[in-house]
Amino acid sequence: AQKITQTQPGMFVQEKEAVTLDCTYDTSDPSYGLFWYKQPSSGEMIFLIYQGSYDQQNATEGRYSLNFQKARKSANLVISASQLGDSAMYFCAMREGTGNTPLVFGKGTRLSVIA
Amino acid sequence: NAGVTQTPKFRILKIGQSMTLQCAQDMNHNYMYWYRQDPGMGLKLIYYSVGAGITDKGEVPNGYNVSRSTTEDFPLRLELAAPSQTSVYFCASSTHRDRLQETQYFGPGTRLLVL
Repeated sequence: AQKITQTQPGMFVQEKEAVTLDCTYDTSDPSYGLFWYKQPSSGEMIFLIYQGSYDQQNATEGRYSLNFQKARKSANLVISASQLGDSAMYFCAMREGTGNTPLVFGKGTRLSVIA
Repeated sequence: NAGVTQTPKFRILKIGQSMTLQCAQDMNHNYMYWYRQDPGMGLKLIYYSVGAGITDKGEVPNGYNVSRSTTEDFPLRLELAAPSQTSVYFCASSTHRDRLQETQYFGPGTRLLVL
C-alpha cells in the first residue's frame, strides 16, 4: 500500500492566489514526521516545511503552511500569494518512528503558476 | 559551503557497463542516502548509511552497491547497467541527531541513461 498519496498530478494557480496541494499518508505508528519538498525545473530538492505528529499547531514557514488533519491522515501544503517562481514539482514525504529514519516520498504534484 | 555534491551530472552507459556515482558532503553529516527518481515518480530509497562503515538496503537496492569508508563520501556502484536503471539519482545527507524533524539535504542529482 502507498504510504504517501498525492492525488493531484498537476495544478494551476493564478499569480497572487493561494493554492492547496493535497497529501494523505498511511501509518499505524503514533509517532511520525511529515515533510514537503520543492523541486524546480533545475532538479534540486528544497526542503520547505515539517510537521510532527505530536505538534499541537499547524506548521508555518513564510508563505508555506501545513493544514494538518491527523484524524483524516492528511497534511496538505498551502502556498499563499503564489509567485511565478513557485512553479515546480512538490513532494510530500513521511518518516515513521521516533528517530532519523529514511523518508518515504509521494509521487509529487506539478504546480504551474500563471501570470 | 558546498553542501552535497554529486558527479557526474549526466552520463550515458551501454548495457552491461559499470560505473560509480560519486557523492560527497562537507557538513560532517553522519547519515547519507541514495535515491532514484524515475519520470513522473517520487524518490525511492536505494541504500543509506548512518555512519562510516555502516550501510543498509532501502526499497530498491537490486543492481546497486554502496560503501562508506569515510564520513564525507558515499559512492553508489552500478555493476551491470540495465535500461531499467535509467533514472535521476539523488544523494542526500542528514545530521547525526536522531530526531524526527531532521531534514535531508540533497545534491543536484546525476542523470543516467542506459542504452
